[in-house]
Amino acid sequence: KNQVEQSPQSLIILEGKNCTLQCNYTVSPFSNLRWYKQDTGRGPVSLTIMTFSENTKSNGRYTATLDADTKQSSLHITASQLSDSASYICVVTRKSSGTYKYIFGTGTRLKVLA
Amino acid sequence: NAGVMQNPRHLVRRRGQEARLRCSPMKGHSHVYWYRQLPEEGLKFMVYLQKENIIDESGMPKERFSAEFPKEGPSILRIQQVVRGDSAAYFCASSQDRGNEKLFFGSGTQLSVL
Repeated sequence: KNQVEQSPQSLIILEGKNCTLQCNYTVSPFSNLRWYKQDTGRGPVSLTIMTFSENTKSNGRYTATLDADTKQSSLHITASQLSDSASYICVVTRKSSGTYKYIFGTGTRLKVLA
Repeated sequence: NAGVMQNPRHLVRRRGQEARLRCSPMKGHSHVYWYRQLPEEGLKFMVYLQKENIIDESGMPKERFSAEFPKEGPSILRIQQVVRGDSAAYFCASSQDRGNEKLFFGSGTQLSVL
């Protein structure tokens, strides 16, 4: 079954600390994986995209990794800031017979405290 | 280039009334997706449309819900005879093409059914 599971469900850290969010998927055939950030009351915004051949990609303090063999991705946030408080959503694109479908994880809710 | 525009931002309806949610995709985007989100939960796919066509409505309830994306004008998500369980945030996203394109989300419409 094509699923995307994220962990932890929620996370609280102190400002300045690092954290890592996990995404495991069973989606096949795999096309790409994106991490989105959703601030409270807003729509999600794309942070990074990972394709099959990419292992690591950075976007400022955000670093995403992908292990296509184990079907795992992580999002590492360095030196967290209060503005990082949000939900982080892993979305895997499945390509089958020329059509695409986006499979959403349920997200990790991150709270950064001062 | 304005982003994805959704209106209204907040909509209050009494049970039995109709709710119409509008979504104007980004300029040049011909693919529209509607998602529903309950508090503290992930985004749930409802329907995917291209101009004048419904491509995938596998996530949409069979009754009371309908969607359209006319040749001219915004995409409309219509909920007839609303019930309290319809209360949720409804997000619209658009993309230029389907597949490896990232989704651009609107800020959502918060529907409250009294």
